[in-house]
Amino acid sequence: DTAVSQTPKYLVTQMGNDKSIKCEQNLGHDTMYWYKQDSKKFLKIMFSYNNKELIINETVPNRFSPKSPDKAHLNLHINSLELGDSAVYFCASSQDRGRASYEQYFGPGTRLTVT
Amino acid sequence: QKEVEQDPGPLSVPEGAIVSLNCTYSNSAFQYFMWYRQYSRKGPELLMYTYSSGNKEDGRFTAQVDKSSKYISLFIRDSQPSDSATYLCAMSFSGTYKYIFGTGTRLKVLA
Repeated sequence: DTAVSQTPKYLVTQMGNDKSIKCEQNLGHDTMYWYKQDSKKFLKIMFSYNNKELIINETVPNRFSPKSPDKAHLNLHINSLELGDSAVYFCASSQDRGRASYEQYFGPGTRLTVT
Repeated sequence: QKEVEQDPGPLSVPEGAIVSLNCTYSNSAFQYFMWYRQYSRKGPELLMYTYSSGNKEDGRFTAQVDKSSKYISLFIRDSQPSDSATYLCAMSFSGTYKYIFGTGTRLKVLA
């Protein structure tokens, strides 16, 4: 019954490695997001996809690449991991309301630690 | 200056108290205002959503928006220890998918 799910929940890896985080939503929503939450709890949007089309691409290093195989899935691949990438990454989804959407539903988060 | 400001707390109150949580913002174009609750090591959970100015009530929670002062509030009546969490405000413009979040206020309700 989980609405927005993410895997893995925890990810510990070394600098320079490449890793992926997966997200799935079963709410039938059209729009999905990736957020990064730093140690001070600040939640910042990274990317958003609407019906598999990239609509938000914030100032994020190009080592981060989102991929949406279908509107229920949004994955995040990170190349050449750096210490500063350590954070909690949240996936979210929302229903499209004519080029906007308001209520976002979040997944449980993936805690990434780069050593 | 950040677009959305929130006092990080922590705010400690006794059980049963009325809690007031606030956010100020700088961009008068914001029209949609949300409050999220985030328990430790969990994802944010949507509590309240309001459009433009005014009040909205849902059980023990009341959200208030004052666009003239660029100030939003969340009131929690009869606070419970289970309300202990971080509360995040978020705002967006009309016709956009992008939310701007505050940094969150940590609330502790003491039994």
